[in-house]
Amino acid sequence: AQSVTQLGSHVSVSEGALVLLRCNYSSSVPPYLFWYVQYPNQGLQLLLKYTSAATLVKGINGFEAEFKKSETSFHLTKPSAHMSDAAEYFCAVSDSGGYQKVTFGTGTKLQVIP
Amino acid sequence: KAGVTQTPRYLIKTRGQQVTLSCSPISGHRSVSWYQQTPGQGLQFLFEYFSETQRNKGNFPGRFSGRQFSNSRSEMNVSTLELGDSALYLCASSLGGVTDTQYFGPGTRLTVL
Repeated sequence: AQSVTQLGSHVSVSEGALVLLRCNYSSSVPPYLFWYVQYPNQGLQLLLKYTSAATLVKGINGFEAEFKKSETSFHLTKPSAHMSDAAEYFCAVSDSGGYQKVTFGTGTKLQVIP
Repeated sequence: KAGVTQTPRYLIKTRGQQVTLSCSPISGHRSVSWYQQTPGQGLQFLFEYFSETQRNKGNFPGRFSGRQFSNSRSEMNVSTLELGDSALYLCASSLGGVTDTQYFGPGTRLTVL
């Protein structure tokens, strides 16, 4: 069965510092991987997705993630944190046979300190 | 282009009752997925409908059911509500292809007393 593990339920960074949110996946078949962001009292918004086209994926709001098969990782990064990045971030996986059946990680709440 | 809408936004029910939630997808989208979000279990996939047919299903009891209409609008029904059904229910729509992006609605907050 496919799954993702997000390391760190809470991450704090200073404004302007590097954002690094960790995600490791477990999948028996080549996976599709996603990062979503959720702001308080709102639904999820897709930041980026990996669908095997390129290992470095660029998303919205300056975020990017790199698919590393050897490390089974898909970490999310942003060079410089902004106050508006404070939110909860979810890593998710779906096997290539069922895109719409997505398994989510437990989420990481990002705090940005001014 | 209007986004995904969900009604109602908030709902309070008592144990044993049933509830129906509605989701209107983005125009042209044929796939609608439902998710349950709780503090304890996180985000869990319920089911997905595509062109009025259930295409994928998560690990939830039969009390949770859904359907999709010819205009792609979808409803989710939960019968015999339990306290543990209190959650944020999210709906997402997409064109339905393997690499198509899912767009989420704001959710329906269900509280079971």
